[in-house]
Amino acid sequence: QVQLVQSGGGLVKPGGSLRLTCAASGFTFTNFYMTWIRQAPGKGLEWVSYVSGDNTYTRHADSVKGRFTISRDNAKNLVFLQMNSLRAEDTAVYYCTGLQGSGASNWFDPWGQGTLVTVSS
Amino acid sequence: QSVLTQPPSVSGAPGQRVTISCTGSSSNIGAGYDVHWYQQLPGTAPKVLIYTNFNRPSGVPDRFSGSKSGTSASLAITGLQAEDEADYFCQSYDSSLNSWVFGGGTTLTVL
Repeated sequence: QVQLVQSGGGLVKPGGSLRLTCAASGFTFTNFYMTWIRQAPGKGLEWVSYVSGDNTYTRHADSVKGRFTISRDNAKNLVFLQMNSLRAEDTAVYYCTGLQGSGASNWFDPWGQGTLVTVSS
Repeated sequence: QSVLTQPPSVSGAPGQRVTISCTGSSSNIGAGYDVHWYQQLPGTAPKVLIYTNFNRPSGVPDRFSGSKSGTSASLAITGLQAEDEADYFCQSYDSSLNSWVFGGGTTLTVL
């Protein structure tokens, strides 16, 4: 069945780095853009980054631009989020998702189980 | 402050009907961008509940319905059940921000 399984995350000091990994299965991976979305404790959802199916195009939210990098390995059906220069405000549960739809209508599906990133000294 | 505005909480008794509003502006919902809804059960990842304003993925009961008009959208839940207790989020796209945007979320309590 369609599945996204995440790994990585944990506790890191401000200024540190972390890499999140998402393993996809059950669908034609290269057909889909993939994204990362985060949810700060007790807060709403925030789109973070996306990568095109062929890994040629990426985009990041202004809040993480220049610090986070999304990429994918289509041979292994993996998506990565490299997070550098981490700040306390990056503390959140990070979700890997697929991107559905096109044009004026995109939604996020499926979702990984989420992984907690805590930035604290 | 979320770009899309939702009530923080709603509640209803089992069997009743509740609605959750999602209010946007002329740069997102009012510009014609579709609205999608997600359900987040306690301690779990969100899952899509309604896509493209009113479409239900397979497996989602027809007790859930979506609508959109002008700069707002609504999620209606009829025949409330205890298992519907969750957080609900709306999502669209904003042309001014050039980004996907979410509502702040609404917590549904079944009394």
